[in-house]
Amino acid sequence: GIQVEQSPPDLILQEGANSTLRCNFSDSVNNLQWFHQNPWGQLINLFYIPSGTKQNGRLSATTVATERYSLLYISSSQTTDSGVYFCAVRGYNFNKFYFGSGTKLNVKP
Amino acid sequence: DSGVTQTPKHLITATGQRVTLRCSPRSGDLSVYWYQQSLDQGLQFLIQYYNGEERAKGNILERFSAQQFPDLHSELNLSSLELGDSALYFCASSLGGTSASYNEQFFGPGTRLTVL
Repeated sequence: GIQVEQSPPDLILQEGANSTLRCNFSDSVNNLQWFHQNPWGQLINLFYIPSGTKQNGRLSATTVATERYSLLYISSSQTTDSGVYFCAVRGYNFNKFYFGSGTKLNVKP
Repeated sequence: DSGVTQTPKHLITATGQRVTLRCSPRSGDLSVYWYQQSLDQGLQFLIQYYNGEERAKGNILERFSAQQFPDLHSELNLSSLELGDSALYFCASSLGGTSASYNEQFFGPGTRLTVL
C-alpha cells in the first residue's frame, strides 16, 4: 500500500500564529484530500488537491505530486482551528484510500 | 453539513452481538465508502461500493460485511462483535466514476459503536 506520513504529530499555537502541516506519501497519487476532525469527531473537507495550489480563506494547500508531498498552511490561527488534521490519498496502483496518522493542533487563546 | 447521513449516532451492544449501521450518501453520489476509526489504528478504509457493486476492499474483517442498495444507501453489518470493534465508523460518499476528480469524498457524522 501507500505510506502516508504527517508531521508534526502535535502542534501547539498561540491564537494568531501561522503554521505549516506536511503530508508525505510513498507512491504516485491521483487523489489527495485534507480533512479537519473537530473536537466533536466530525470530519470536515478542507481541500481536494491531488496537485497544484488552492486557497480558502485563511487556509491554503499545495501538493507537489512529483515530489510526493503536500502542505497545508493555516494563517492567523483561531481556537476553532483546534482538532486533528488528516491527509488522505489514493494511488494509481492501489484502489484504496490511505490516511495519515494526523497532526493534532491545539490553538490557545 | 456534508449531506451524508448516518444512523444511529451511538450504539452500545454486547460482545457476540450483531449490529447494522446505515448510511445515505449525498444526493447524486454513486460511491459509498466505509471507514473505521479506533484509537490505536487511526482511520482505516474498509470498503467502497459504486452504484451497487463492490469497487475496492480494504482492511475489512470477515465478520464484517456491507452492501449498497438500489436506492444507493448502504449498510455495514458487524457480527460476532468483540471489545476491539469499539470505534467510530464513518461513511463517506463521492460522485464516483472514472475521473479522479469524481472521487472527492464527503464524510458523514459517524456512528460511535461501543461493545461491552
